Amino acid sequence: AQTVTQSQPEMSVQEAETVTLSCTYDTSESNYYLFWYKQPPSRQMILVIRQEAYKQQNATENRFSVNFQKAAKSFSLKISDSQLGDTAMYFCALRGSQGNLIFGKGTKLSVKP
Amino acid sequence: DTAVSQTPKYLVTQMGNDKSIKCEQNLGHDTMYWYKQDSKKFLKIMFSYNNKELIINETVPNRFSPKSPDKAHLNLHINSLELGDSAVYFCASSLLGQGARGNTIYFGEGSWLTVV
Repeated sequence: AQTVTQSQPEMSVQEAETVTLSCTYDTSESNYYLFWYKQPPSRQMILVIRQEAYKQQNATENRFSVNFQKAAKSFSLKISDSQLGDTAMYFCALRGSQGNLIFGKGTKLSVKP
Repeated sequence: DTAVSQTPKYLVTQMGNDKSIKCEQNLGHDTMYWYKQDSKKFLKIMFSYNNKELIINETVPNRFSPKSPDKAHLNLHINSLELGDSAVYFCASSLLGQGARGNTIYFGEGSWLTVV
């Protein structure tokens, strides 16, 4: 079975600081995709960043970057220079063998002024 | 230019009623999904269609019936609504089996269903 685990239900960070959200996963696939989605209070699901498992280089998107450790099956998200607008639920997800996303339970991030 | 659109966005209805949520995508994707997000914000796949063919059918009560008239549309019909059906339902779409770009799944804005 494919699973995704986010062990931090809630986190907080001061504005302009850096925060790292943890995610571990399990899959028997050799080629797969990992994602981080952001869900603000509006409930819209917004893609933050994605990583192809066959790429060793960690993905980056502006202030967002990942630390992808394939052997450890770890996929953490780092947010640099945190902004108030980063306050949201963050979901780690694995693209399943049937094409669907398997989500972790989410981490609620609060950015404090 | 909405990529994945769902209607209605908000729906309040009484127990026992039948309701439908419609979804359309204009991204040229071949696969569409329905996800349910419960009160604890846990997101779980319900159904998936690829080229109008059902490929994922999770353990969902048979009161829920998806219908895909074509690749761009996937509707969700719910019979005899129960209190526990209250949730946010997300439609999504993607290309299946394509390269890296095609493996991103795009979501609609969600349909908030409240059963009273």
